[in-house]
Amino acid sequence: GNSVTQMEGPVTLSEEAFLTINCTYTATGYPSLFWYVQYPGEGLQLLLKATKADDKGSNKGFEATYRKETTSFHLEKGSVQVSDSAVYFCALSDLGAGGTSYGKLTFGQGTILTVHP
Amino acid sequence: KAGVTQTPRYLIKTRGQQVTLSCSPISGHRSVSWYQQTPGQGLQFLFEYFSETQRNKGNFPGRFSGRQFSNSRSEMNVSTLELGDSALYLCASSLVDYSDTQYFGPGTRLTVL
Repeated sequence: GNSVTQMEGPVTLSEEAFLTINCTYTATGYPSLFWYVQYPGEGLQLLLKATKADDKGSNKGFEATYRKETTSFHLEKGSVQVSDSAVYFCALSDLGAGGTSYGKLTFGQGTILTVHP
Repeated sequence: KAGVTQTPRYLIKTRGQQVTLSCSPISGHRSVSWYQQTPGQGLQFLFEYFSETQRNKGNFPGRFSGRQFSNSRSEMNVSTLELGDSALYLCASSLVDYSDTQYFGPGTRLTVL
């Protein structure tokens, strides 16, 4: 079955530091890959996505590249801010796997990011 | 355009009771998915509805059920509540049947005492 593995957290950084959160996946088909962010007390917000190999998703200074050869989708940001403190989830959708994949995102366990001033 | 809305935002129930949660998708979105989020198990897929039909179901007991109405609004029901059902229940909608980008609501926090 499909699975997503994120780096163990939490991650604590100082403001303006470089961020990397690792994500690797296992999928039977040709998945789309996502990063979602969850702020305290809220639902998930879509941060970025990539639908095929070598695609780069980007938003709000965050980037991630779909690497089929390494089955990875690592999240990066060059300079984090205190407001980036949140939980980050890597996820995949594998519609090509057929009916059992309809409407289903498979999530990693989440990575807590804390950014200090 | 308004986002996904979920009601109520918070619920407190006791063991053995049942509960109904509601989700209104983004206007024009026809697919609604439900997830359970707990600290121990993370985000787990419950089920997905499209055009009033359940197309996919996760690995949850039959106490968890749902439905979708003709206006795409969806409800999920949990009967005979157990302590372990305490969780954040998230609803997500997507535009068409083969779209994989889901937009989430704020969730309903269910506490079972």
